[in-house]
Amino acid sequence: QVQLQESGPGLVKPSQTLSLTCTVSRGSISTYYWTWIRQPPGKGLEWIGYISSISNTDITNYHPSLESRVTMSLDTSKNQFSLRLSSVTAADTAVYYCARGAGDDFDSWGHGTLVTVSS
Amino acid sequence: QSVLTQPPSVSAAPGQKVTITCSGSNSNVENNYVSWYQQIPGTAPKLLISDNDKRPSGIPDRFSGSKSGTSATLGITGLQTGDEAHYYCGVWDSSLSARVFGGGTKLTVL
Repeated sequence: QVQLQESGPGLVKPSQTLSLTCTVSRGSISTYYWTWIRQPPGKGLEWIGYISSISNTDITNYHPSLESRVTMSLDTSKNQFSLRLSSVTAADTAVYYCARGAGDDFDSWGHGTLVTVSS
Repeated sequence: QSVLTQPPSVSAAPGQKVTITCSGSNSNVENNYVSWYQQIPGTAPKLLISDNDKRPSGIPDRFSGSKSGTSATLGITGLQTGDEAHYYCGVWDSSLSARVFGGGTKLTVL
């Protein structure tokens, strides 16, 4: 059964760049849609976007409201994918989850990592 | 606020049945597959229902999904205290070109 684990700094200063990595184990990263989803404290889920190399070419799809600040990348040699979110503000404080997108749903999730934006 | 509307909370007694609705539009629920997720406090969401009405392996048949028009419904029968959680619907929105989630419904098993 595939397992996902997020890693990265838990504290980021305003205006800086948030960087997270998701390590995938017990499964290949060469298929599926590798996704980032976040959840502000006490609030609901927000889809950030996905990256995939299903067609042997990396394709990305980001939420329109975040598109100007988001970059995702895939490292198949390490079975990892990453998120970079630039120019962060307090509104970006959230638990960030990585997940595996299979068709129209997310069938495996990481445990999540809290990222706080504060000076 | 979300483009998908869920009731903020529902409650029922152990052993009873509850339904949670997810109301959307023709750009999301009506024309795309809906999935449902269970989030027990302090843990990651877990896929309960995929493709409107399919249960992934390991999900009890007490959980069911259905869809009609612009609304989807999650049903839970034989409620247990362990079912207390937040439940979210999710679907692709063709107008936004983004995956969207409902605001979540907190289930209390009295």
